Amino acid sequence: GENVEQHPSTLSVQEGDSAVIKCTYSDSASNYFPWYKQELGKGPQLIIDIRSNVGEKKDQRIAVTLNKTAKHFSLHITETQPEDSAVYFCAAILTGGFKTIFGAGTRLFVKA
Amino acid sequence: NAGVMQNPRHLVRRRGQEARLRCSPMKGHSHVYWYRQLPEEGLKFMVYLQKENIIDESGMPKERFSAEFPKEGPSILRIQQVVRGDSAAYFCASSPGSSSTDTQYFGPGTRLTVL
Repeated sequence: GENVEQHPSTLSVQEGDSAVIKCTYSDSASNYFPWYKQELGKGPQLIIDIRSNVGEKKDQRIAVTLNKTAKHFSLHITETQPEDSAVYFCAAILTGGFKTIFGAGTRLFVKA
Repeated sequence: NAGVMQNPRHLVRRRGQEARLRCSPMKGHSHVYWYRQLPEEGLKFMVYLQKENIIDESGMPKERFSAEFPKEGPSILRIQQVVRGDSAAYFCASSPGSSSTDTQYFGPGTRLTVL
């Protein structure tokens, strides 16, 4: 089955700096890669997603890149703010599937 | 348009008791998914249901756990004879369809504590 690895597990940055979280997946049949942000005591919230026919997608300060050949995808947050502090999860879904396979999460701390 | 609703938000049970977790999907969504999150870990898929049907329960333990999504009312995740290892956050998600690219929207979760 699909397996998603996520790094780093913890990331601390200074306000205004960029943050990068990287994920790899194992099954080349995966075609949809959402990213979720989870704040303390809340459920995961979708922040951006990318489909396998796209290499990069950007939404204001957040961007995601996908390299299908290498089977890895990354989340980039620019100009970080304290409110970006949360746990971020990458995920993958197989073509024709519905199970969301999550990475283990990255705890991001943005220091003011 | 209200999001995915889950209740209760917190549930405390003693070993051997039953836990019932409820999930009301977003309006217009007929697909429900349940996930379990252990402390400091990612979410693990448990079960996928459509109205009155269990589509995939491959992530759900074979014993003590069951799920339903009746024609009327919320989806229910039921855990019988709870043990301490069942303590976790249980999240429900819903989507409008079953395509792999249909976004799943998550509820706030139910945090189960087994004493």
